Amino acid sequence: DAGITQSPRHKVTETGTPVTLRCHQTENHRYMYWYRQDPEHGLRLIHYSYGVKDTDKGEVSDGYSVSRSKTEDFLLTLESATSSQTSVYFCAISESGHLTFGSGTRLTVV
Amino acid sequence: GENVEQHPSTLSVQEGDSAVIKCTYSDSASNYFPWYKQELGKGPQLIIDIRSNVGEKKDQRIAVTLNKTAKHFSLHITETQPEDSAVYFCAAMGRVVNKYIFGTGTRLKVLA
Repeated sequence: DAGITQSPRHKVTETGTPVTLRCHQTENHRYMYWYRQDPEHGLRLIHYSYGVKDTDKGEVSDGYSVSRSKTEDFLLTLESATSSQTSVYFCAISESGHLTFGSGTRLTVV
Repeated sequence: GENVEQHPSTLSVQEGDSAVIKCTYSDSASNYFPWYKQELGKGPQLIIDIRSNVGEKKDQRIAVTLNKTAKHFSLHITETQPEDSAVYFCAAMGRVVNKYIFGTGTRLKVLA
């Protein structure tokens, strides 16, 4: 298993504040992803990365930005958090042709 | 855009019965179809996958079938057990390599 660590595991933040979630992997995988999970929508791709400084948008990228300055770290930033961004966020890496997910970050925007 | 539809959203079966979850994809170029199981409080985990050059794949009590013409694929769980209770997601990898689109999930409850 790739070592995937998401931080923080839980966060409560106020509307309008910036928030950054971190994903760290230990095995030098090229592809990394950010998904959000919501009851009515399942898993939706926010952004993904195919290398250092190489990123692309997913289905629901509005209001989010990402950065990947090192292979092992993929950061997701909510530029100005809104209540609609309350969700569980999962980072994933592509390993042996399939996705391996982290344990998730539960974000609540109040 | 690319889309994956999954049905049903919830499914209850008696222990020992079979469960079937169905997905339909829109992108005819899709060539890889994984299934994930998510237990409470955890990230999804791969349980089985199938590629477009194969029509069926089995692994003990679970199997996946693929109909490329109809653009649908299904997960079959036989002899269900309480520990099979979880949320199951289907996914498809489309035209963009390593870009996966997920279905909306099926909550399976196995009743003892």
